[in-house]
Order: sequence, then structure tokens, then C-alpha cells
Amino acid sequence: QVQLQESGPGLVKPSETLSLTCTVSGGSISSYYWSWIRQPPGKGLEWIGYIYYSGSTNYNPSLKSRVTISVDTSKNQFSLKLSSVTAADTAVYYCARAPPTIFGTPYYMDVWGKGTTVTVSS
Amino acid sequence: NFMLTQPHSVSESPGKTVTISCTRSSGSIASNYVQWYQQRPGSAPTTVIYEDNQRPSGVPDRFSGSIDSSSNSASLTISGLKTEDEADYYCQSYDSSNPWVFGGGTKLTVL
Repeated sequence: QVQLQESGPGLVKPSETLSLTCTVSGGSISSYYWSWIRQPPGKGLEWIGYIYYSGSTNYNPSLKSRVTISVDTSKNQFSLKLSSVTAADTAVYYCARAPPTIFGTPYYMDVWGKGTTVTVSS
Repeated sequence: NFMLTQPHSVSESPGKTVTISCTRSSGSIASNYVQWYQQRPGSAPTTVIYEDNQRPSGVPDRFSGSIDSSSNSASLTISGLKTEDEADYYCQSYDSSNPWVFGGGTKLTVL
């Protein structure tokens, strides 16, 4: 059974870069899309972006200028970098798996990590 | 860009049936699949419906999804409500410009 685990600093200073890693266990990172979603305190879900195991990416237009998602197939991991963070980036960050579809690109998540809380504060 | 609008909250008694709506602001609801995610308090979301009406393995058949083109909305129906169904529910869809869009979420209270 595939499991996802987020890891990274829980506290990031304003204007710095948030970096998180998601480790995939119990299955291969190949042949799937891998995504990041976040949830500010008391608010709803926001899609950040996804990456295919081959490296192609798609980002939320509202975050695109600050987001980089990468994949390391040798480690069965993928990562998120969000630059120039502010307090508005404080959230629980989830990684999730997205199956490829007959249309090629994914449109839903089927396995989620437990999430990691990131606070932006000096 | 389109938005997905959900009621903020719904409540119903155990054993009853509840329906949560998700209305698409522009573009046809039928053009792109709708998914539903359940998020229990303090937990990560899980998928309860994908591709409008498909249930992942392990999701009870008390959960069902549908779309209504006349109202341009999708619905999640939960029958035989249990206290464990108390959670936030999010709809999600997409289009070529916005790969993944989430609704604002609906808090289900099982009284």
C-alpha cells in the first residue's frame, strides 16, 4: 500500500524559501503524477502544482512565479520549493498521488500524505 | 477561470440522507469530471468520489455522486448517515486553464 510522508522545516522566515520533500513508500514513483496541495488555518484546500515522474510540471497560475516542483526517482521522492514566502503561505502542506488518465493529464488525487504544518514568521 | 461554490454547512440526523451541492460558475459541469474529498477533523483529505460518480475501493456505497447539467452542479449524497461521516467535504474539478480547482468546502454535522 502506497504511503506518502511530507518532511521539512516547520518554521520559515518571511522572504525566504519554503522547501518540503515527500517520500513515497510501498510503491514506485514511476507512472504517476505527484502533487502538492495546501490548506491555510481554518480555510479550504488550494492546489499548488504537480509533476510527472518524468519531470513535466503544471502549476497553479496564482503561485507559478514562486513555485518549483522537482522529482528524484532514485530516492522515490519529490519536492516543493516556494520562494519569497509571507505569512499568507502559512498552511498545512499535503503531498498526494494523482493517477494518469485516458486524457493524459491527471485530474484527481487518490492517495494523500498526512500533511505537515509550515508557519511563516520571523 | 471558474469557481466551485458549496454551502458552508449542512446538518442531518444519523440514519438520514444528506446531499451536498457544488455549483460551477462558468463552463459546463458535464465537461470535466468532478471529485469529492472527505476531511475529518485533524486529518488529511481522502477521496470518496472521483469521475463524477466512481467510488474508490473501501468507500462504502452509502456515498454517491452525480451531476445535473440543468443547474450546472454536482452533488454528493450520503445515505444512512453515521456519526463518523461528520467531516468537511470538498468538491474539485478542472479545465484547460485551471488544472485543479477546489470548492470552498462544506462542513457536515451529524446531529
